[in-house]
Amino acid sequence: AQSVTQPDIHITVSEGASLELRCNYSYGATPYLFWYVQSPGQGLQLLLKYFSGDTLVQGIKGFEAEFKRSQSSFNLRKPSVHWSDAAEYFCAVGPSGGSYIPTFGRGTSLIVHP
Amino acid sequence: DTAVSQTPKYLVTQMGNDKSIKCEQNLGHDTMYWYKQDSKKFLKIMFSYNNKELIINETVPNRFSPKSPDKAHLNLHINSLELGDSAVYFCASSLPGTGEDTQYFGPGTRLTVL
Repeated sequence: AQSVTQPDIHITVSEGASLELRCNYSYGATPYLFWYVQSPGQGLQLLLKYFSGDTLVQGIKGFEAEFKRSQSSFNLRKPSVHWSDAAEYFCAVGPSGGSYIPTFGRGTSLIVHP
Repeated sequence: DTAVSQTPKYLVTQMGNDKSIKCEQNLGHDTMYWYKQDSKKFLKIMFSYNNKELIINETVPNRFSPKSPDKAHLNLHINSLELGDSAVYFCASSLPGTGEDTQYFGPGTRLTVL
């Protein structure tokens, strides 16, 4: 069975500082990996995804993530955080056995201090 | 040109009532989903429909009944609402099997049962 761990429930950074959100997964084959962002009161928006190829993936809003097979990780990074980045971030891995249902992590809440 | 839309955005109702949430997607996807997000932001898959047929039905009370009149719509009907049904419900859609198994989410419906 596939699983996703986001070890940090909350992360607090200062505006302008760099950011790294951790995601570790467990999956038997080459995974599909996703990062979604959920702003307060909003739905989930896809930031970026990895299916194959280049292990460094660029996304929207200046985010990037790196797939590291040896570490079973897909950490999300941003070099300089803006106050508007404050949101909930979800890592997901999928699909599973043809059901096409990704497994989501518990989310990391990003707090940005001015 | 909203991709995945849900109505209503907010729903406040009394225990015991029956209510419906509607979902529509204009992405040409053939698979649609309902998720429940609890107060701790955990996303749990409830149902998945592919081409109007139920393919995933997780452990959900039978008070919840999805209906898919066509590929573009997946409605959720809830009978005899209970306090524990209070949550945010997200609809999503995807086109699995094409190498683009990305789920696109609606804005969510916040259900409050009093």
